[in-house]
Amino acid sequence: SQTIHQWPATLVQPVGSPLSLECTVEGTSNPNLYWYRQAAGRGLQLLFYSVGIGQISSEVPQNLSASRPQDRQFILSSKKLLLSDSGFYLCAWSPKSSGGNSGLYSNQPQHFGDGTRLSIL
Amino acid sequence: RKEVEQDPGPFNVPEGATVAFNCTYSNSASQSFFWYRQDCRKEPKLLMSVYSSGNEDGRFTAQLNRASQYISLLIRDSKLSDSATYLCVVNDQGGKLIFGQGTELSVKP
Repeated sequence: SQTIHQWPATLVQPVGSPLSLECTVEGTSNPNLYWYRQAAGRGLQLLFYSVGIGQISSEVPQNLSASRPQDRQFILSSKKLLLSDSGFYLCAWSPKSSGGNSGLYSNQPQHFGDGTRLSIL
Repeated sequence: RKEVEQDPGPFNVPEGATVAFNCTYSNSASQSFFWYRQDCRKEPKLLMSVYSSGNEDGRFTAQLNRASQYISLLIRDSKLSDSATYLCVVNDQGGKLIFGQGTELSVKP
């Protein structure tokens, strides 16, 4: 069965420090991968998605970047954190569409990691 | 108009009650629909996919009305453990999933 691992679970960082959150998926190959942020009491905001190694699409301009160095590894980074970067960060994966579309479009549901709660001081 | 709209609640119901959530979506071309459940301070978890003909999973029934562009989730015989936020999810034209803000359910003894 497929599993998704995300770490760390909790992180407290000072303003201006760097960030690296890692997410790995097991039990599947060539998944679509996603990074979301959920602010307190708010909905899920899609930050980045990736349909393959080295392919990253950014949804909103921000202080963050993402990379996919391996098929099942997705990393969220920042060089200098801002107070507004606080939130609950979620990594998710989905299989490619059952219709054979190899792009972003997927009629499959997404499955989430446990999330990282990031607090910026 | 928001892409996916849900009544934020909270819905406060006694154990054993039947509760229904509705969700409307704006993109008539959407093809994939899901309900997720999110417990406090946890990740969203897939509850069920929503099919055109409607589908049932135990106490949970999902319906899709394409003409009116809404999705519903019915929970029968509510349990204390059903307390959570229920997220309506719809895909957009680009293939991304759009999550509603969620409806909070609190089941009381």
